[in-house]
Amino acid sequence: DTGVSQDPRHKITKRGQNVTFRCDPISEHNRLYWYRQTLGQGPEFLTYFQNEAQLEKSRLLSDRFSAERPKGSFSTLEIQRTEQGDSAMYLCASSREGRARGNEQFFGPGTRLTVL
Amino acid sequence: SQQGEEDPQALSIQEGENATMNCSYKTSINNLQWYRQNSGRGLVHLILIRSNEREKHSGRLRVTLDTSKKSSSLLITASRAADTASYFCATDGRSGNTPLVFGKGTRLSVIA
Repeated sequence: DTGVSQDPRHKITKRGQNVTFRCDPISEHNRLYWYRQTLGQGPEFLTYFQNEAQLEKSRLLSDRFSAERPKGSFSTLEIQRTEQGDSAMYLCASSREGRARGNEQFFGPGTRLTVL
Repeated sequence: SQQGEEDPQALSIQEGENATMNCSYKTSINNLQWYRQNSGRGLVHLILIRSNEREKHSGRLRVTLDTSKKSSSLLITASRAADTASYFCATDGRSGNTPLVFGKGTRLSVIA
């Protein structure tokens, strides 16, 4: 399967703990996006990378959140000192840059985070 | 924040009927896309329509775009139970290749 993969699929943690999620994009895709989705809502943008450069961060990305894509391939999203409000589905997507492609993004299955 | 709204929020139909979902957005766009999400899973891309297109078809899907009204519609013909899912529209900025902005989605239930 050469789609976007995310690990873990589910994470349950206690408030105050740190968590890290991983995303492996489609190999030839140079853009990687993180979104957060809460129940009954659409995904909301968090941050995105072009290759290893983090190009944009949403106001939703507080200083407890950090994302990296060190070699321009996989990416990690870390949440420090988790809060109950961080409980959500964290979605990763990738795309191949180019106006002709119209920014079609391919999504992974998501990591569901529950903060107790 | 969400770009726009899908309408209706929830739709329940019988198998074989057509389902129409609408999406409105707020700012100028380059493309508009529709995605499907089965419960608790990731999103699957359905169709992309560019700002200079008015209608597009893909199998049982028909999408229209009216940039003057900043709205789009998704029609699923001859619905099946397997079409039960949430459907989201997503827009990007005029420069394209920017993060997508999603609506809140329409939850479609197709009853066999």
